[in-house]
Amino acid sequence: LAKTTQPISMDSYEGQEVNITCSHNNIATNDYITWYQQFPSQGPRFIIQGYKTKVTNEVASLFIPADRKSSTLSLPRVSLSDTAVYYCLDTGRRALTFGSGTRLQVQP
Amino acid sequence: DTAVSQTPKYLVTQMGNDKSIKCEQNLGHDTMYWYKQDSKKFLKIMFSYNNKELIINETVPNRFSPKSPDKAHLNLHINSLELGDSAVYFCASSQDGAGGRANEQYFGPGTRLTVT
Repeated sequence: LAKTTQPISMDSYEGQEVNITCSHNNIATNDYITWYQQFPSQGPRFIIQGYKTKVTNEVASLFIPADRKSSTLSLPRVSLSDTAVYYCLDTGRRALTFGSGTRLQVQP
Repeated sequence: DTAVSQTPKYLVTQMGNDKSIKCEQNLGHDTMYWYKQDSKKFLKIMFSYNNKELIINETVPNRFSPKSPDKAHLNLHINSLELGDSAVYFCASSQDGAGGRANEQYFGPGTRLTVT
């Protein structure tokens, strides 16, 4: 049973900023928040990970509030190639549990 | 070079047969995993091995048996295949054990198993 909750799907247009929010209502103190991306017919790919506040890499930004009950993945200026399923996870020292993910569809 | 590779990419077989899926990683990671992604796209962990030792064994039928000849390989053997075993199976690896910081998992391309 997934421990996180996120929207099933989102639509956007090329060039827009996309924010995907995830609820982490059962996150443990030692857990990190991790996001993965999965393209059709491929395995998931690590995007970004954080514990609290803001983390930024070349692909995305991750915002985590002080209570860590939610997280927001921000994708700047999406392109058609960002169409994929995005998963948020609580990662602790136990098996990873993937939820249903958010299917992002980017339109031209 | 492919970091995590799986063979075969597609596998079509009949009920009752025994089949194996092979996985190899060239990243020098200590931990390897098998996941199953069903038709509803839920990705569930099946097994995890750390340095050739089983550390996670989720509730999967005994027909599924992982085998790790060395820490770069984790093969999945399935006996007496059933229709419900049809899914995409992903192998993955990471440097650390399950969870925790820096547990970035690298996934293979998947093996689509179809049981008829």
